Amino acid sequence: NAGVTQTPKFHILKIGQSMTLQCTQDMNHNYMYWYRQDPGMGLKLIYYSVGAGITDKGEVPNGYNVSRSTTEDFPLRLELAAPSQTSVYFCASSYGRANYGYTFGSGTRLTVV
Amino acid sequence: RKEVEQDPGPFNVPEGATVAFNCTYSNSASQSFFWYRQDCRKEPKLLMSVYSSGNEDGRFTAQLNRASQYISLLIRDSKLSDSATYLCVVNQGGKLIFGQGTELSVKP
Repeated sequence: NAGVTQTPKFHILKIGQSMTLQCTQDMNHNYMYWYRQDPGMGLKLIYYSVGAGITDKGEVPNGYNVSRSTTEDFPLRLELAAPSQTSVYFCASSYGRANYGYTFGSGTRLTVV
Repeated sequence: RKEVEQDPGPFNVPEGATVAFNCTYSNSASQSFFWYRQDCRKEPKLLMSVYSSGNEDGRFTAQLNRASQYISLLIRDSKLSDSATYLCVVNQGGKLIFGQGTELSVKP
């Protein structure tokens, strides 16, 4: 059972470039989330989805977009990358309203130079 | 005011010590509560859920006081392997809100 899988694990992006961080889960969880974590800081919610076709903004959505065409996949798109988007990105999923917590992916370390 | 606030740490303790972490949250409508553990900026992993009646898992005891909006984690007989960052987490409408974490370093 793979759980939540994120790719890539590491990436260096140039300012102004775009890229997509991939996230897929095989647990049939309906809720999925994207967080970012900056050094010494807690996790901040970027976007979340309560099911296929439904997405909503979190605390820090600017500069990002998401889509949820299937239950399994929840990609995060960075448009016009900026140095402020250098961070570690975590995808997570839960069954229902997270009353049993989340399952996290192993993260993507992104550097924008 | 931050939604979830924790002791900033770091906590440096010898093996065998008892250490307590405190956390407060601002939204009284929060539904469920957790402690997560995070190692060296790897993904957070669920340590335990926190219930109003208090709950224990081996050397770990968690307490929730809804009236005071306060959560605690007690670690007894600390091990070197307990060294990590401990995240206080609150569920608000299906979204988990994370504290900034408290770093624990257990020394021989």
